[in-house]
Amino acid sequence: AQKITQTQPGMFVQEKEAVTLDCTYDTSDPSYGLFWYKQPSSGEMIFLIYQGSYDQQNATEGRYSLNFQKARKSANLVISASQLGDSAMYFCAMREENYGGATNKLIFGTGTLLAVQP
Amino acid sequence: ETGVTQSPTHLIKTRGQQVTLRCSSQSGHNTVSWYQQALGQGPQFIFQYYREEENGRGNFPPRFSGLQFPNYSSELNVNALELDDSALYLCASSLVLAGQETQYFGPGTRLLVL
Repeated sequence: AQKITQTQPGMFVQEKEAVTLDCTYDTSDPSYGLFWYKQPSSGEMIFLIYQGSYDQQNATEGRYSLNFQKARKSANLVISASQLGDSAMYFCAMREENYGGATNKLIFGTGTLLAVQP
Repeated sequence: ETGVTQSPTHLIKTRGQQVTLRCSSQSGHNTVSWYQQALGQGPQFIFQYYREEENGRGNFPPRFSGLQFPNYSSELNVNALELDDSALYLCASSLVLAGQETQYFGPGTRLLVL
């Protein structure tokens, strides 16, 4: 069965520093996608970054990058130059890459609460 | 702004009642998924609709049901509410193309069952 593990319930980082949020996953499917979402206290899940299992390069989106280590089944999120507005819950999620209209459900981890300190 | 809206934002119900939550998908998106997020946990998949048909279901009882309309808006209905149904309910819309899609979430509806 698919599973996402986030072992850091909470993290602190100083403003302008970089921080790494850990995510490991378990799946027997060769084709899958990995996502990171940010959830502020307002509740909305904000899409940050996506990594496909066959992508050769690590995904990057502005200050966000995904450190994808396929053999170790890890997909850590790196936030560079942290800002106060980055304080939020961060969720790692996985989805099987299905074709033909099959369900594309997301499996989420338990999240990491990031606090950026001035 | 994801273009996905949900209503109402907050709702209080009592045990045994029925509730309908609504979601308006991003324009052109043919798939909507619903998730339940209990306090302190990650979202759990309830079900997904693709072109107005249920396209997969998570581990939720039949009293959780849904509809998707031709304009891609959707509803989540929960009958016989239980205390454990108290949660944030999130809908996510997406456009499925060749199996690839990113789900964009709405702001959620916070349901409290007393």
